[in-house]
Amino acid sequence: EPEVTQTPSHQVTQMGQEVILRCVPISNHLYFYWYRQILGQKVEFLVSFYNNEISEKSEIFDDQFSVERPDGSNFTLKIRSTKLEDSAMYFCASSGTGLDGYTFGSGTRLTVV
Amino acid sequence: GESVGLHLPTLSVQEGDNSIINCAYSNSASDYFIWYKQESGKGPQFIIDIRSNMDKRQGQRVTVLLNKTVKHLSLQIAATQPGDSAVYFCAENPMDSSYKLIFGSGTRLLVRP
Repeated sequence: EPEVTQTPSHQVTQMGQEVILRCVPISNHLYFYWYRQILGQKVEFLVSFYNNEISEKSEIFDDQFSVERPDGSNFTLKIRSTKLEDSAMYFCASSGTGLDGYTFGSGTRLTVV
Repeated sequence: GESVGLHLPTLSVQEGDNSIINCAYSNSASDYFIWYKQESGKGPQFIIDIRSNMDKRQGQRVTVLLNKTVKHLSLQIAATQPGDSAVYFCAENPMDSSYKLIFGSGTRLLVRP
């Protein structure tokens, strides 16, 4: 069964540092997403990406965040100048045409110290 | 504002019994709903979905019911097994958005042997 792959599974970073979270979506999918989940809370939408541009972003996704699809297979989330409150699980997801096959990765646990 | 909420944070059932997990949503513009299962340390796993032109959909051991009149969604799991123990989230896709999902707060299902 096709999977969304995320690396690393756990990242620890110092406050103020930049991190890049990496994702390999399902190969024939066209839509890509990042979500986050603070410990014990619900999953929150961050951003959706289609045709090499952001199609929608939430209030959380401010100038500190950026996304990129640097090649035909990777989809990255960059967080600049990390804060303690950025500590969370970050999930990448992808879907085919619209909502079809909407699949989540296993997540990257980001810990900011 | 938009919200997707769950009535019960924790549900404990006897193995073999049926489970019913409920969800209320407030965005009448949503036309697509998904139930996800999340096990500890993993990403949301698709269980079943339903579009707003339907009121019931069945899968293997699972049934989703949609009541648009009262904006209520439920997930029924037949013959609950220990492997069903997890947190269950409902999610909705508002029709006027990109393909983002808005998640509810989650219900933890505990299956007693």
